[in-house]
Amino acid sequence: GESVGLHLPTLSVQEGDNSIINCAYSNSASDYFIWYKQESGKGPQFIIDIRSNMDKRQGQRVTVLLNKTVKHLSLQIAATQPGDSAVYPCRGAGSYQLTFGKGTKLSVIP
Amino acid sequence: DGGITQSPKYLFRKEGQNVTLSCEQNLNHDAMYWYRQDPGQGLRLIYYSQIVNDFQKGDIAEGYSVSREKKESFPLTVTSAQKNPTAFYLCASSINPGRTTEAFFGQGTRLTVV
Repeated sequence: GESVGLHLPTLSVQEGDNSIINCAYSNSASDYFIWYKQESGKGPQFIIDIRSNMDKRQGQRVTVLLNKTVKHLSLQIAATQPGDSAVYPCRGAGSYQLTFGKGTKLSVIP
Repeated sequence: DGGITQSPKYLFRKEGQNVTLSCEQNLNHDAMYWYRQDPGQGLRLIYYSQIVNDFQKGDIAEGYSVSREKKESFPLTVTSAQKNPTAFYLCASSINPGRTTEAFFGQGTRLTVV
């Protein structure tokens, strides 16, 4: 499964800069990988996903990169805004357990 | 509106008491999940259910119990055997457990043991 239950790394960025958030995974059987955004005291919300046969996918202001060789997933946020401050957990899908990888806490400095 | 609802939002429990957290969805999803989140940590899977009348233990099931008598409901009971129950609890659902990409989350229940 994914690496779960560990303390989250933190990332602080200046407003307007680009952010890169990383996630390591261990379950190679996942068909999809998904990024969520979790604001304080709320449930996670879907941001973007990527199929395991792709290495890059772009959304609005976000890009997800997948490197299956090193089992690494990243989320890039362009022109980071204060509203982007949140925890960003990731997970692999295609497994029944829906376990999460270790995400990152993003803090945006105005 | 379709969605997943957790109640209550805040819950206080005395030590030694069992407490049940509610999770209801009207999305017609087959799979439902319970997670626990502690401050500064990621989500950890407690229990999951792929279909009515079936559920499986997750990574941290000890001290918890669940039932899945109806498709739309997946209540979680935090028992007195759970040594450190104070946490933020999240329920999620997905169309089916194996093929879907997206899981929908409730807004969470913050449980405090006093």
